[in-house]
Amino acid sequence: DTAVSQTPKYLVTQMGNDKSIKCEQNLGHDTMYWYKQDSKKFLKIMFSYNNKELIINETVPNRFSPKSPDKAHLNLHINSLELGDSAVYFCASSQERQFTQYFGPGTRLLVL
Amino acid sequence: DAKTTQPPSMDCAEGRAANLPCNHSTISGNEYVYWYRQIHSQGPQYIIHGLKNNETNEMASLIITEDRKSSTLILPHATLRDTAVYYCIAVISSGSARQLTFGSGTQLTVLP
Repeated sequence: DTAVSQTPKYLVTQMGNDKSIKCEQNLGHDTMYWYKQDSKKFLKIMFSYNNKELIINETVPNRFSPKSPDKAHLNLHINSLELGDSAVYFCASSQERQFTQYFGPGTRLLVL
Repeated sequence: DAKTTQPPSMDCAEGRAANLPCNHSTISGNEYVYWYRQIHSQGPQYIIHGLKNNETNEMASLIITEDRKSSTLILPHATLRDTAVYYCIAVISSGSARQLTFGSGTQLTVLP
């Protein structure tokens, strides 16, 4: 009965590859987020979707494209992976863009 | 959002109360104070939030000074599982830029 789930948990890939990370929430929330936590442990928001519409898009390279097929899913597709993309990516959800957010377990991406 | 300042680290003995301070001297009248924690290798977890009054839930208590320039998160009986990084975040409750901005937080270590 996991509230926010992410797949895969670990992702190791070569530079230049394209990869996707999936996120699903079963809380009935209408807002979902992607955060990136770098090696220095700073957690920074990347995107936010409300009812399948993009509402926050921080300064993120165009190689990152979020896709929300429905309110319960927010996937992150990354093109042409670079070494600097190595980080932990967290998905989160909330109701009506509230600040009480529920986070997933994270996806640890390592680009070689 | 107002800037918050937290000590980088604190220790607490198991079973004792852990009091985590946060300074937010530039907070405005409509900014809430939110607390999250991140246990090692896990996603952040919401703890509590408040505006003016003290708040208590099953996880912790939040004491906000009368002038709202600082607050303290209290874990009444700290356990080893409370070892985590604790984030104090000031957020404005309205407007289009509704997002959580995580700082560097306080690393709380509960000692046996």
